[in-house]
Amino acid sequence: AQKITQTQPGMFVQEKEAVTLDCTYDTSDQSYGLFWYKQPSSGEMIFLIYQGSYDEQNATEGRYSLNFQKARKSANLVISASQLGDSAMYFCAMRESGGYQKVTFGTGTKLQVIP
Amino acid sequence: KAGVTQTPRYLIKTRGQQVTLSCSPISGHRSVSWYQQTPGQGLQFLFEYFSETQRNKGNFPGRFSGRQFSNSRSEMNVSTLELGDSALYLCASSLGTSGGRETQYFGPGTRLLVL
Repeated sequence: AQKITQTQPGMFVQEKEAVTLDCTYDTSDQSYGLFWYKQPSSGEMIFLIYQGSYDEQNATEGRYSLNFQKARKSANLVISASQLGDSAMYFCAMRESGGYQKVTFGTGTKLQVIP
Repeated sequence: KAGVTQTPRYLIKTRGQQVTLSCSPISGHRSVSWYQQTPGQGLQFLFEYFSETQRNKGNFPGRFSGRQFSNSRSEMNVSTLELGDSALYLCASSLGTSGGRETQYFGPGTRLLVL
């Protein structure tokens, strides 16, 4: 069964600094997708970045990059130049390709950006 | 392109009542998934619909049901409400045809409070 682990319940980062949010996963599938979502206090889940298991390069989207280490089964999110608006919950998620499986989410990391 | 919309945004019900939540996916998306989010259990998958058929189901009691219409809009119904059903219910849409590589896009959610 697929599983996502986020070991950091909460983190603080100084404005304009970079921060790494950890995510490890467990799957027996060879083909899968990894996602990061941001959830502000309003509740809406905002898609940030995607990494496919066969993608050779780490995904990047603006200030977000995904440090993908397949052998270690980790998919850490790196946010560069943190902004106050980055304060939110961040969820790592995985979707296996076989049979259109459901998306499994981690427990989330609450990030607070300090001015 | 319009995003995922959910109605209503907020709802207050009493125990024993039933409730119906609605979700309109992004135009062209045929897959709609529903999630329940609570502080204690995190994000839990309820079910997924694709082309009017339930394709995947999580571990929820039969009181939770759903359906999808020919225009891909989906409804979720909870009968005989319990206090523990108080949660944020999130709907997500995706193309539904690309397996693990697909990104799900979420709506703003419906906050349900059961008194």
